[in-house]
Amino acid sequence: QVQLQESGPGLVKPSQTLSLTCAVSGDSISRGDYYWSWVRQPPGKGLEWIGYIYYSGITYYNPSLKSRVTMSVDTSKNQFSLKLSSVTAADTAVYYCVRGRRDLDYWGQGALVTVSS
Amino acid sequence: DIVMTQSPLSLPVTLGQPASISCRSSQSLVYSDGNTYLNWFQQRPGQSPRRLIYKVSNRDSGVPDRFSGSGSGTDFTLKISRVEAEDVGVYYCMQATHWPDTFGQGTRLEIK
Repeated sequence: QVQLQESGPGLVKPSQTLSLTCAVSGDSISRGDYYWSWVRQPPGKGLEWIGYIYYSGITYYNPSLKSRVTMSVDTSKNQFSLKLSSVTAADTAVYYCVRGRRDLDYWGQGALVTVSS
Repeated sequence: DIVMTQSPLSLPVTLGQPASISCRSSQSLVYSDGNTYLNWFQQRPGQSPRRLIYKVSNRDSGVPDRFSGSGSGTDFTLKISRVEAEDVGVYYCMQATHWPDTFGQGTRLEIK
């Protein structure tokens, strides 16, 4: 069974960088069968694409966030990561890591990140 | 960006009755490979989204057959033939034909 687990600080100060990691089990990122994605959901609101990454390191970012987003992958640890810089309160959300891009068939449980001083 | 418009946004349904959610896109979702990348997701209260339907009408493994998807071009529909209590939650359509992929606003299904 494929499982994804987000981890990282739950509280980030404004203007700082949000960092999250997604550990994957039950599948191997380096097989290259899927892209690996990040999606976020502000409290009580809908879903927003952040972007996705391939095992080779190729990335695709939502243009609305592109200037602040960096994704990376560590195939030796079977995990991938998200960094979002210069955060504001508007970045407060549950962040999900997800397998696939068009697929989105397996989701992590989500990590709530609050931006507050 | 492609705008995905769902209706209704709130859907009160009596147990055992059918339900239908509409999703319309601002452009055709037919991709150059001939596929239409339109998915439906269910998000139960306090849970992560779960994919129900992919490429318009393909039901995921473990999804009850009372769920069905249909449509083409810019108009799509998710139908539940007989609503059960476990179906309560928010339903999202999502297009993955045009980058950035975009979601609908969500339709909240509740039991009357």
